[in-house]
Order: sequence, then structure tokens, then C-alpha cells
Amino acid sequence: QVQLQESGPGLVKPSQTLSLTCTVSGGSISSGGYYWSWIRQHPGKGLEWIGYIYYSGSTYYNPSLKSRVTISVDTSKNQFSLKLSSVTAADTAMYYCARITFWSGYYPFDYWGQGTLVTVSS
Amino acid sequence: EIVLTQSPGTLSLSPGERATLSCRASQSISSTYLAWYQQKPGQAPRLLIYGASSRATGIPDRFSGSGSGTDFTLTISRLEPEDFAVYYCQQYGSSPVYTFGQGTKLEIK
Repeated sequence: QVQLQESGPGLVKPSQTLSLTCTVSGGSISSGGYYWSWIRQHPGKGLEWIGYIYYSGSTYYNPSLKSRVTISVDTSKNQFSLKLSSVTAADTAMYYCARITFWSGYYPFDYWGQGTLVTVSS
Repeated sequence: EIVLTQSPGTLSLSPGERATLSCRASQSISSTYLAWYQQKPGQAPRLLIYGASSRATGIPDRFSGSGSGTDFTLTISRLEPEDFAVYYCQQYGSSPVYTFGQGTKLEIK
């Protein structure tokens, strides 16, 4: 059973960079057929896709966040990471990591981490 | 950008009743790339349906999905107490690649 776990600071100051890591267990991040993604949810709101990465390092980002987002992967640690620069209060949200299965021809988010709340405040 | 609009915003029903949730896309999308998720308070979303009509692993058969083009439906045939939650539809494919509907809250009447 694949499990994902987010980690990182719960409080970030405005204008700084938010950094989160997702650790994958129960499966190898280097297995083909999967993308590894970040999604966020503002308090009491809906879901916003941030971007995804393939184990090779190929990335795709939401155009609305692209200028501030970097997603990277460390296959040796079975982890992938999110960096979001120049944060403001509008970036306060629950951040989820998730797996996308695409080998089947479908592209759903089939496994999710429990989420980590990040607050942007001075 | 494809916008997914879910209706109703809130649906009040009793256990044992049938729930019908709608997801309408601003333009035609492939049913292959339409999914539904359930989210309970304090939890991450859970995949229910992918490919518009295929149930994910472990999802009870009271959950079913249908639709094509711009109109998609999630049906829960007989509501169980644990089904009361927020439901999201999601599409993949058109920039920005993944978008979600705003959600339908299914509450106990």
C-alpha cells in the first residue's frame, strides 16, 4: 500500500519561500507510470492543482503559479519537494502531495498524503 | 481554461435516499479524464470514480458515475451515514492540466 507523507514548516513569513517535502513509502518513486503532484486547498475552499513531476525530473506546473513554483525529486530518498517563492497570505492553505497513475490511460490522483497546513504570517 | 461547475452547492438528504450530483464542464472534455473525489472533514480527498464511470479500488458499488461531453453525474444509490461529505469532480487535460469543481456538500437532512 503506497503511502505519502508531507513534511515542512507550518509557518512561513511573507515574501519568503515555502518548502515542503513528500516522502513516499510502500512503492518506489522511480517506478514508471506515475506522476507525483502537489495540490493545495485554501481554508474552507476547493482544491487547486499546483504541479507534478516525473521521476526523471520532468515537470508541469499550473500556469497561474508557474513563475513561483519549483518541484523537484530525490529518487535516492524516495521523496519529492515543493518550493513556492515570494509567498503572501493568499498562499495560506493545506498542502497535499498525491500520486497520479497514468499507465492505465487515466490520470487520477489515486493516493494522497494527509496534508500539511502552511500559514503565511509575520 | 476549462471550468467545472458542480450543482447543487449543498444537497440535504436522509440515509437510504438516492443522491445525484452534477458536474458541468465549460467545454467538452474526454470522459477518460473525469474523476470524482470524496472529502470528509479533516481528511484528504479520496478517489471514488475515474474515467467518468470506473470505481476506484475498494469503493462500494452504491457509487456510480456517468456522463460524457460536458455533463457528468455522480450517483449514490442508497446513502449510508458515512457518505455525508464534500464531493469534487476533476478533469485532466486542458490547461492548466488539472482543474476541480467547487464541490458539492452532501449533508444529512
